[in-house]
Amino acid sequence: AQRVTQPEKLLSVFKGAPVELKCNYSYSGSPELFWYVQYSRQRLQLLLRHISRESIKGFTADLNKGETSFHLKKPFAQEEDSAMYYCALSGWKNNNDMRFGAGTRLTVKP
Amino acid sequence: EAGVAQSPRYKIIEKRQSVAFWCNPISGHATLYWYQQILGQGPKLLIQFQNNGVVDDSQLPKDRFSAERLKGVDSTLKIQPAKLEDSAVYLCASSSTGGASRNYGYTFGSGTRLTVV
Repeated sequence: AQRVTQPEKLLSVFKGAPVELKCNYSYSGSPELFWYVQYSRQRLQLLLRHISRESIKGFTADLNKGETSFHLKKPFAQEEDSAMYYCALSGWKNNNDMRFGAGTRLTVKP
Repeated sequence: EAGVAQSPRYKIIEKRQSVAFWCNPISGHATLYWYQQILGQGPKLLIQFQNNGVVDDSQLPKDRFSAERLKGVDSTLKIQPAKLEDSAVYLCASSSTGGASRNYGYTFGSGTRLTVV
C-alpha cells in the first residue's frame, strides 16, 4: 500500500543539538515529497519541497530513493523550532494531490 | 497575497445536526482541497477540486458529507447528519501548479474546529 510513515510521534532534543525527523514512504512512482510545519496556534504551512533542494530555517531534507526516506535534518536546533512536523507525498493519484503522515511533535528544550 | 479564508473558526453541534463550513482560496488558485484532521493524526484528504470539477472524492463519506465549489472559486463543505466521530479540524487548502508535472505545495487556511456532542 502507498503510504507515508513518520515513526516518531514525539521527539525531544536540547537547544543546539542536532535533530532528525524521520519520514519513510511507500510509493511505486516518482514521488514528490514535502515537509509541512505547524507552530503553536498557527496554520499548517509548507516548510520545504524536495524538488527545490532548498534549506529553510536551517532545515534540509534529502530524498533517498534507495531507502525510500525523506528525513528532515537541522544541525543545531533552536527553541523556536518546537512544532508539529508533517511529511507529505504528492503524485499518489494525480499531480496535485497530497497525502500526509501522522506527524512528529518536536520539542526543543532550553 | 491574501491567504486562504475559512469560517467559522469553531463550531459545536449536537450529533445528528447539520453543519456547513466555508472556504475562500487564494485568488487564482485553481485547485482547492478539504482535509479532515482528527486529534493526533495527520490531515486526511476528503475532496479535491480543480476549478469547479471534482478530481478526487474517494475518501469523502458521501452518505453524510457533501461539498461544492460553484463558479470555481469558494467552496462549502457540509455534514448532515453529524456523528461524534466527525469531531475534528476541517482544513481548506489551495494550490497553483507550475505545470502538469509539478506540485508547488499548498497554502492552508486556519481551519474550522468542529466538536460534535
